[in-house]
Amino acid sequence: SQTIHQWPATLVQPVGSPLSLECTVEGTSNPNLYWYRQAAGRGLQLLFYSVGIGQISSEVPQNLSASRPQDRQFILSSKKLLLSDSGFYLCAWSSERFQPQHFGDGTRLSIL
Amino acid sequence: GESVGLHLPTLSVQEGDNSIINCAYSNSASDYFIWYKQESGKGPQFIIDIRSNMDKRQGQRVTVLLNKTVKHLSLQIAATQPGDSAVYFCAVTGGGNKLTFGTGTQLKVEL
Repeated sequence: SQTIHQWPATLVQPVGSPLSLECTVEGTSNPNLYWYRQAAGRGLQLLFYSVGIGQISSEVPQNLSASRPQDRQFILSSKKLLLSDSGFYLCAWSSERFQPQHFGDGTRLSIL
Repeated sequence: GESVGLHLPTLSVQEGDNSIINCAYSNSASDYFIWYKQESGKGPQFIIDIRSNMDKRQGQRVTVLLNKTVKHLSLQIAATQPGDSAVYFCAVTGGGNKLTFGTGTQLKVEL
């Protein structure tokens, strides 16, 4: 069966520090991968998605970036975090069209 | 672009009653619809989905109804249990694999 892992679960970072969140998927090949951010009490905002290695589409202009160095690895990064980057970051994967996205358990990011 | 909204931010039901959570979408070209359940501190969990060529689909204790005429989607939970307490999101796709999420309905089950 397929599983998705995100780490760390919780992260506290100072303003201006770099960020690297990692997501890996097991049990499937060539998945579509997604990064979302969820503000408290709100829905999910799509940040990036990827249909293959090295292929990244950005949905929202911001100081975050994403990379997909391996088929089942998706990384969310920032060179300098802002206070507004605080939130709950979720990674998801899906297979083909008309199949649901499946989510990891997220990273709670707090910027001080 | 697509917009998705839920009708009520909070829904309180008695244990054992049926729950109905509603969702409206804007894009008539939307062709795939998903309901998710999210418990506190966790990622959304897939519940049930439906394609636009159907108007009803049933799972275990859950039913999704799709009314394409009025662009409305609902999730029905039968015999609601305390474990059903969570935030429920509808998500809609109108081409490709990108989903647009609603803002969520908090379901509270009262004993």
